[in-house]
Amino acid sequence: GEDVEQSLFLSVREGDSSVINCTYTDSSSTYLYWYKQEPGAGLQLLTYIFSNMDMKQDQRLTVLLNKKDKHLSLRIADTQTGDSAIYFCAEANFGNEKLTFGTGTRLTIIP
Amino acid sequence: NAGVTQTPKFQVLKTGQSMTLQCAQDMNHEYMSWYRQDPGMGLRLIHYSVGAGITDQGEVPNGYNVSRSTTEDFPLRLLSAAPSQTSVYFCASSPGSFTDTQYFGPGTRLTVL
Repeated sequence: GEDVEQSLFLSVREGDSSVINCTYTDSSSTYLYWYKQEPGAGLQLLTYIFSNMDMKQDQRLTVLLNKKDKHLSLRIADTQTGDSAIYFCAEANFGNEKLTFGTGTRLTIIP
Repeated sequence: NAGVTQTPKFQVLKTGQSMTLQCAQDMNHEYMSWYRQDPGMGLRLIHYSVGAGITDQGEVPNGYNVSRSTTEDFPLRLLSAAPSQTSVYFCASSPGSFTDTQYFGPGTRLTVL
């Protein structure tokens, strides 16, 4: 079945760029998403990308999609303490009509 | 708008007890869903609904029931709680379908002893 994989942890110094990676197996994915979960809260959509795009930029966020390798990344420029959270990659699977979420990457900011 | 609300925030149950997790949204969204979040496993879809009166199973439906009598409410029922159902439960809604932006509630942390 579909699978979405992420590394569990990432630590970055304040002011540096963070790069969170995700790989997925469903080659028919049309939409790919990044959600952010702050402590004690539900998930919030950060950004998304269509599978016919290579890159999407939104202020400090850059999403890169390599469809050939089924690899998605989220770059956060000038990482701040408020960026500390768990980041989930998700892909829309039209065959099963559902979103498949990755395990989430916990981003820790080092002062 | 309150968005998506969930009650209770925390709950402790004994094995075999039943309970209902409440979820409500005030955005007139058609699509609603329930997920469970377990460490190292991401979110897994339990049940979903594409509109009032219509529900369907997700990835991990066993042990859970749902109903959708109104657009606003989508309760999740545990008929006979088991320790394997210890988890954090999230309700989400979206305007049309699973491809739309999902709006998540704050979650219910359930412990089954």
